[in-house]
Amino acid sequence: SQELEQSPQSLIVQEGKNLTINCTSSKTLYGLYWYKQKYGEGLIFLMMLQKGGEEKSHEKITAKLDEKKQQSSLHITASQPSHAGIYLCGAEILNSGGSNYKLTFGKGTLLTVNP
Amino acid sequence: DGGITQSPKYLFRKEGQNVTLSCEQNLNHDAMYWYRQDPGQGLRLIYYSQIVNDFQKGDIAEGYSVSREKKESFPLTVTSAQKNPTAFYLCASTRGGSGANVLTFGAGSRLTVL
Repeated sequence: SQELEQSPQSLIVQEGKNLTINCTSSKTLYGLYWYKQKYGEGLIFLMMLQKGGEEKSHEKITAKLDEKKQQSSLHITASQPSHAGIYLCGAEILNSGGSNYKLTFGKGTLLTVNP
Repeated sequence: DGGITQSPKYLFRKEGQNVTLSCEQNLNHDAMYWYRQDPGQGLRLIYYSQIVNDFQKGDIAEGYSVSREKKESFPLTVTSAQKNPTAFYLCASTRGGSGANVLTFGAGSRLTVL
């Protein structure tokens, strides 16, 4: 089963609308990272969250990590065509043996913004 | 400017051939990683290396090999043993050690088996 679930898988919005992408795990997330990817290119780092309840913003993008550190959301306000792409969350999760952390990624959310 | 360079950008291979994807970084990062990305699958870890001359298998290492002879370089060989090698391959690096694990990614290499 997927350790990090992202939803929705894809999203189509009209320019100017707000949207939210979610990233959820049944395990505690130690370090939650949001990346953006244009098709066929590498990933660009957006934001990192580490503390429960933490919230960070950059331009029109806000990321939050819940108090229990099992869910994160990425919110885009007044979306623009430049926001289009694939958004991936990555997180460090304690492995089953409890000995070290494993960096794992969600499957991504494909965002289309129609002008 | 510091960054990660992957080459080639596109590569075509016949079945039964080995191919090597190059990854070079000038960020002075200790740790380097290879990921495979398939449509709808997210990123899956192939191999990683935290220091020179040492590397570990990731989740899907079968059919792949790596070397880490220099800090700046972490080439990936896709061998003929890899059953389904057509994919987008991403190399990444990070400073390593304890603390935040923000990855810097290369632009990727797309391998197609004919």
